[in-house]
Amino acid sequence: AQSVTQLGSHVSVSEGALVLLRCNYSSSVPPYLFWYVQYPNQGLQLLLKYTSAATLVKGINGFEAEFKKSETSFHLTKPSAHMSDAAEYFCAVSDLSNTGKLIFGQGTTLQVKP
Amino acid sequence: KAGVTQTPRYLIKTRGQQVTLSCSPISGHRSVSWYQQTPGQGLQFLFEYFSETQRNKGNFPGRFSGRQFSNSRSEMNVSTLELGDSALYLCASRSGTGGFSGANVLTFGAGSRLTVL
Repeated sequence: AQSVTQLGSHVSVSEGALVLLRCNYSSSVPPYLFWYVQYPNQGLQLLLKYTSAATLVKGINGFEAEFKKSETSFHLTKPSAHMSDAAEYFCAVSDLSNTGKLIFGQGTTLQVKP
Repeated sequence: KAGVTQTPRYLIKTRGQQVTLSCSPISGHRSVSWYQQTPGQGLQFLFEYFSETQRNKGNFPGRFSGRQFSNSRSEMNVSTLELGDSALYLCASRSGTGGFSGANVLTFGAGSRLTVL
């Protein structure tokens, strides 16, 4: 069965510092992987997706993620944090049935300190 | 292009009542999925509808049901509400065919926040 583990439910960084949010997945086949962001009282917004085209994926707002099969990881990074990046971030893997079912991690809340 | 629209945004019900939530997908999208988000269980898949047919279902009791209309709008219904049904219910749409190309990524609405007293 597919699964996703996000390491660290809360991450705190200073403005301008590197952001690193960790995601490990479990999948019996090459997965499709996603990062979504959720701001307070809003739905989920897609940051980026991995669909096997390239291992380094660039997304919106300066975020990127690297797919590492050997480590079963898909960590999200951003070189320099902005105050506006404070939100909850979710890593997700697609269900093998290729329907609208995504399996989400528990989420990581990013705090950005001035 | 209008996004995914969910109504109502907020609602309060009491135990034992039922509730209906509505979702209008992005124009041209034929697939609608529903998710429940709670602090304890996180984001959990409820079901997906495509062309008025339920295509996949999550592990929820039969009190949770849904349907899709010919214009792709979808509703979900929860009967005999319990306190534990308090959650943010998210609807997401995608074109519904093929793999996870750009057109098939899930786009989420802002959600309907249900409080059960």
